[in-house]
Amino acid sequence: SQQGEEDPQALSIQEGENATMNCSYKTSINNLQWYRQNSGRGLVHLILIRSNEREKHSGRLRVTLDTSKKSSSLLITASRAADTASYFCVTETQGGSEKLVFGKGMKLTVNP
Amino acid sequence: DAGVIQSPRHEVTEMGQEVTLRCKPISGHNSLFWYRQTMMRGLELLIYFNNNVPIDDSGMPEDRFSAKMPNASFSTLKIQPSEPRDSAVYFCASSFRGGVGYTFGSGTRLTVV
Repeated sequence: SQQGEEDPQALSIQEGENATMNCSYKTSINNLQWYRQNSGRGLVHLILIRSNEREKHSGRLRVTLDTSKKSSSLLITASRAADTASYFCVTETQGGSEKLVFGKGMKLTVNP
Repeated sequence: DAGVIQSPRHEVTEMGQEVTLRCKPISGHNSLFWYRQTMMRGLELLIYFNNNVPIDDSGMPEDRFSAKMPNASFSTLKIQPSEPRDSAVYFCASSFRGGVGYTFGSGTRLTVV
């Protein structure tokens, strides 16, 4: 496992706007995962994209993966106040263990 | 399934006391992880088990911390003796290798005074 590095570290937008969060990593991966954490709660798994996939959708979420650039992005469309949370990306490395090491995350604030 | 269940939700204890945190993973998951989260250090992996066997405990801060998984449906994290710097939210998570991500519990907020 390796930490992803989320960028930006904080983002503030208005309700209805789209939010894009980026993630970079360093080594070859099996998959990349995005998690959300609402204040005071546990992390919630949002989406997993495998190394042979380039794009994946789940509801208002769209994740892309560019293994040549070692980067991923998470797009939340038509954001809502309830999307206010911290978002983490984390990777499962090739040949590595299944443990996930989380970085600092990215704080998204959606203003009503 | 009720998800990953942690108890207690909140624990306040005095320095020097023993603290035991409990976790029930999702049935069928074969890996279990203990994390600690603080503002200063973020989310730290303490230890993880696979098929009830500890695989990596390199994140356990010191000998005061110990974890057990006597069977597939139960794990404990014990701190003895506790210190104020152990104050944090402790999360348990479980997963199935080859599955889709971890499932986290709601956490135990520990305050050591």
